[in-house]
Amino acid sequence: QSALTQPASVSGSPGQSITISCTGTSSDVGNYNLVSWYKHCPGKAPKLLIYDVSKRPSGVFDHFSGSKSGNTASLTISGLQADDEADYYCCSYAGSDALVFGGGTKLTVL
Amino acid sequence: QLLLQESGPGLVKPSESLSLICSVSGVSLNSATYYWGWIRQPPGKGLEWIGTMYYSGSTYYNSSLKSRVSISLDTSKNQFSLRLTSVTAADTAVYYCASQGDSYYLFDYWGQGTLVTVSS
Repeated sequence: QSALTQPASVSGSPGQSITISCTGTSSDVGNYNLVSWYKHCPGKAPKLLIYDVSKRPSGVFDHFSGSKSGNTASLTISGLQADDEADYYCCSYAGSDALVFGGGTKLTVL
Repeated sequence: QLLLQESGPGLVKPSESLSLICSVSGVSLNSATYYWGWIRQPPGKGLEWIGTMYYSGSTYYNSSLKSRVSISLDTSKNQFSLRLTSVTAADTAVYYCASQGDSYYLFDYWGQGTLVTVSS
């Protein structure tokens, strides 16, 4: 399975909204509504933000939202805050019991 | 709240085996019908799923690592472990253990990760 494609970096100012894309194929992202998103601050445990494309676990604010169109999933962060600065990863089911991650996106809050 | 903590050698010689343990607190591996997984991140690269084990003993591995990897559960110690054989420098990475809850398709709680360097 090939890694999902994410932009290496995105940036935004406090209060703005940003979107991180996660592009796969018709064998993974496009074929299953099983995309999850994670926030990772260096040296810390990654945190689940979104699962099943657009569902939020309890305790995750609606500041984070997920969607999918075709082979591309997206994570949108609304009302950007300084502590949103982190690396973000998507993950998708790829069939045959396989899970595949994206290469990660570094979010900088200007 | 689930807590996971990885432990094991930080340095492994090429061609040897890498063994890591994930200690779990907050749930009993004896009773939780959960999936448990391992993920790694090579320096400067993204995350890579290594494999997953179901409480029943079923295992699922990344096809690129399948011939070298095994995951097992030790319910008496509330731990699960990873073994990767015949390691090379390409296996140098931060290794994370994670809970997948009762859904195979997500990782809901993670450990902080442990760096394993493969070098002579």
